[in-house]
Amino acid sequence: AQKITQTQPGMFVQEKEAVTLDCTYDTSDPSYGLFWYKQPSSGEMIFLIYQGSYDQQNATEGRYSLNFQKARKSANLVISASQLGDSAMYFCAMRRGSNYKLTFGKGTLLTVNP
Amino acid sequence: DTAVSQTPKYLVTQMGNDKSIKCEQNLGHDTMYWYKQDSKKFLKIMFSYNNKELIINETVPNRFSPKSPDKAHLNLHINSLELGDSAVYFCASSQVPASATQYFGPGTRLTVL
Repeated sequence: AQKITQTQPGMFVQEKEAVTLDCTYDTSDPSYGLFWYKQPSSGEMIFLIYQGSYDQQNATEGRYSLNFQKARKSANLVISASQLGDSAMYFCAMRRGSNYKLTFGKGTLLTVNP
Repeated sequence: DTAVSQTPKYLVTQMGNDKSIKCEQNLGHDTMYWYKQDSKKFLKIMFSYNNKELIINETVPNRFSPKSPDKAHLNLHINSLELGDSAVYFCASSQVPASATQYFGPGTRLTVL
């Protein structure tokens, strides 16, 4: 069975500082993908970043980077230079190689303080 | 240009009624999904269609029936609505490869009274 764990129900960060949101996963499948989504208070789900299990380098997308530690089965999201608009719920999700579905963690509510 | 659209955005109805939620994507994707987000924000897959064929059917009451008239549309019909069906329902779509990102619609907030 595949499982995603986000241990931080809530996080606070000062504007312009960096923040790391934790995500650990559990799968026995060697081929998998890890995704992060952002859900602001308006409710939509916004894709942020993707990391494949065979990717050699950590994924980066603008201010978002993924700290992928395969041996530890962790895929933490790093947001640099936080902005007020980053305040939202963040979900980590996993998709196994041949399986279409995304399995989500419970999410982390990030609040950026001015 | 809306990539994945859902209608309606809000749906308020009485217990026992039948309702439908429509989803359309203009991304040319082959695979579409329905997810349910409960009151604690937990997201769980319900169904997935690939080229109009059902490929994922999670443990969902058979009061829920997805229908895909073509690969750009995936509708969700719910019979005999119950209080516990109140949730936000998200439609999503993606290409076939495992690395393909799933793009979500805006969600439909269903409230059963």
